[in-house]
Amino acid sequence: QLQLQESGPGLVKPSQTLSLTCAVSGDSINNYYWTWIRQPPGKGLEWIGYIHYSGTTSYNPSLQSRVTISIDMSRNQFSLKLASVTAADTAVYYCAAIIRRVAALNWFDPWGQGTLVSVSS
Amino acid sequence: DIQMTQSPSPLSASVGDRVTITCRASQNINNYLNWYQQKPGKAPKLLVYAASNLQSGVPSRFSGSGSGTDFTLTISSLQHEDFASYYCQQSYYTPYTFGQGTKLDLK
Repeated sequence: QLQLQESGPGLVKPSQTLSLTCAVSGDSINNYYWTWIRQPPGKGLEWIGYIHYSGTTSYNPSLQSRVTISIDMSRNQFSLKLASVTAADTAVYYCAAIIRRVAALNWFDPWGQGTLVSVSS
Repeated sequence: DIQMTQSPSPLSASVGDRVTITCRASQNINNYLNWYQQKPGKAPKLLVYAASNLQSGVPSRFSGSGSGTDFTLTISSLQHEDFASYYCQQSYYTPYTFGQGTKLDLK
C-alpha cells in the first residue's frame, strides 16, 4: 500500500528557504508522478507543482520563480524548496502521488498527512 | 488558469438528506474533474475521479456526474461521517486548480 510522509521544519524565517521532504513507501518512486499541494490555515487548496523520476517537472506559474521540486530515487523520496518565503507562505503542505491514465486524466491519491509550516521571525 | 467555482458554500443539511454540490469550470475540461473530501485536521481524500468514477472503498451513496464545464457531486443519503469539506479539482491543464471548497455542516 502506497504511503507518503512529509517532514521538515515547522518554522521558517521570512526571506529564508522552506525545505520539505516526502518519503514514499509501499512502491517504487519510479512508478508515479509526485506532487506538492498547500493549504493556508482556514483556506482552500493550491497546487504547487509535480515531478517525475525522468526529470520532468511542472510548476504553478504563481510560484515558479521560487519553487524547486527534486527527486532522490536512491532514498525513494522527493523534496520541495520554496525560496524567499513570507507570511503568505504559511500553510499545511501536502505531498501526494499522481495517478495518470492518459496525459490529462489524472488525480491525486494518496496524500501524505500534511505538515504545517509557519513563516515568522 | 482554469477557474473552478463551487456552489453552494456553505451547505447545511440533515442526516438522511440527499445533497448535491456543483462545480463549474471556466472552460471546457471534458471529464478531467476529480472530487475530494477533507475532514478537519486531515488530508484530502479522493472520492471521485474522471468526473464519475467512484474511488475504491468509497461508499456507493456518493456519485459524480458531468462533462464539459458543469459537474455535480451527489450524496444520496447523508451520514454523520459525511459532514466535511468537499473540493473539486481539474486536471485538464496545468496549473491544476481546485474549487474554493464546500463545507457541509449539520443543519
